[in-house]
Amino acid sequence: ILNVEQSPQSLHVQEGDSTNFTCSFPSSNFYALHWYRWETAKSPEALFVMTLNGDEKKKGRISATLNTKEGYSYLYIKGSQPEDSATYLCAFGGYTGGFKTIFGAGTRLFVKA
Amino acid sequence: ETGVTQSPTHLIKTRGQQVTLRCSSQSGHNTVSWYQQALGQGPQFIFQYYREEENGRGNFPPRFSGLQFPNYSSELNVNALELDDSALYLCASSPWWSSAGAYNEQFFGPGTRLTVL
Repeated sequence: ILNVEQSPQSLHVQEGDSTNFTCSFPSSNFYALHWYRWETAKSPEALFVMTLNGDEKKKGRISATLNTKEGYSYLYIKGSQPEDSATYLCAFGGYTGGFKTIFGAGTRLFVKA
Repeated sequence: ETGVTQSPTHLIKTRGQQVTLRCSSQSGHNTVSWYQQALGQGPQFIFQYYREEENGRGNFPPRFSGLQFPNYSSELNVNALELDDSALYLCASSPWWSSAGAYNEQFFGPGTRLTVL
């Protein structure tokens, strides 16, 4: 059974704090690792898609790294802002008898002004 | 460019009934995936369609079935509804150029909230 774990489950930070989340995923049959941001009452929005071991992606204050050999990815937010408050989901894309996308349960981030 | 749309927004059914949910993919996207999201969980992968063929399926029973049409719109059908089927159902479309680019980012619709009584 493919399993994707995210930690922490939730996080409360102050405006200006930097923070990071972890995503653990299977290291076999790997195609891609996705990060999404899901704000309340909106659709999940893609942040990054990473496919190669050692990949690093950056979008503004948000960045992510990928280690496919050990099966983990980190998402970093520098200088958190209240508008960063959302659920951050990672998803493992792999092939086991068919293509599958397996999401973690997400990390809920609350940024207080 | 029109985004991913889903209909209906909300739906209430009773146990044992059948339901069809619809999704219109973003223009130019030929791959669609369906997910079930229960409260407190991440989206659970139901299946994926590429060019009208199912090419991936999660751990859902056969009463969950789908169709993808030539215009790349799609349907999720659920037969013999159970109380546990109550959830938010999301569809997501993506372009698919080759197996190497099989996992382009997915563009999600707003979801259909299904309640089974």
